[in-house]
Amino acid sequence: GGIITQTPKFLIGQEGQKLTLKCQQNFNHDTMYWYRQDSGKGLRLIYYSITENDLQKGDLSEGYDASREKKSSFSLTVTSAQKNEMAVFLCASSITRWNAEQFFGPGTRLTVL
Amino acid sequence: QQKVQQSPESLSVPEGGMASFNCTSSDRNFQYFWWYRQHSGEGPKALMSIFSDGDKKEGRFTAHLNKASLHVSLHIRDSQPSDSALYFCAVPNTGYQNFYFGKGTSLTVIP
Repeated sequence: GGIITQTPKFLIGQEGQKLTLKCQQNFNHDTMYWYRQDSGKGLRLIYYSITENDLQKGDLSEGYDASREKKSSFSLTVTSAQKNEMAVFLCASSITRWNAEQFFGPGTRLTVL
Repeated sequence: QQKVQQSPESLSVPEGGMASFNCTSSDRNFQYFWWYRQHSGEGPKALMSIFSDGDKKEGRFTAHLNKASLHVSLHIRDSQPSDSALYFCAVPNTGYQNFYFGKGTSLTVIP
């Protein structure tokens, strides 16, 4: 088995601030994902990466940057945090197959003051 | 347009009862379905996948797929308080490496 670690667990920022979320996995999976979860809206894909240094935009990529410098890590940057923004950001990983099971981390809860 | 529709939004069942969830895909390209469960404060965990017409059973969980109508359901028999969670339906984007998730159904099992 493996585990996905997300840091920090809670992130509080100011409006306009650049904020970075980190994710590590030890499954040795090639593909990693970032999702945003808002209450009542399910999970929406921000970015995914199928290998080191690869980045693919999801439906919600505007306002975010991502970086995959190592196979085991995937980071997400909120380029300019919006006031009253509150969401949980979930990192996941999987083998590279179109219908593969995704394994999720516990999430980072973002609050913007 | 939402590619994956789930119903109901929330559901309460007594302990020992049957819980049932529905999911419909809006795109005939999406015919492979996953069910995920998310307990409060945790990330989602996969329960099961289904891609053939008919039923698939895993323990207390049964998924049923009707490909003609792109409708899948999940049934939990003998529901336990530990089954209280958010249940998501997800469909892979065929040929790509991303999924579309529904908005989820919140299940409460009342002891």
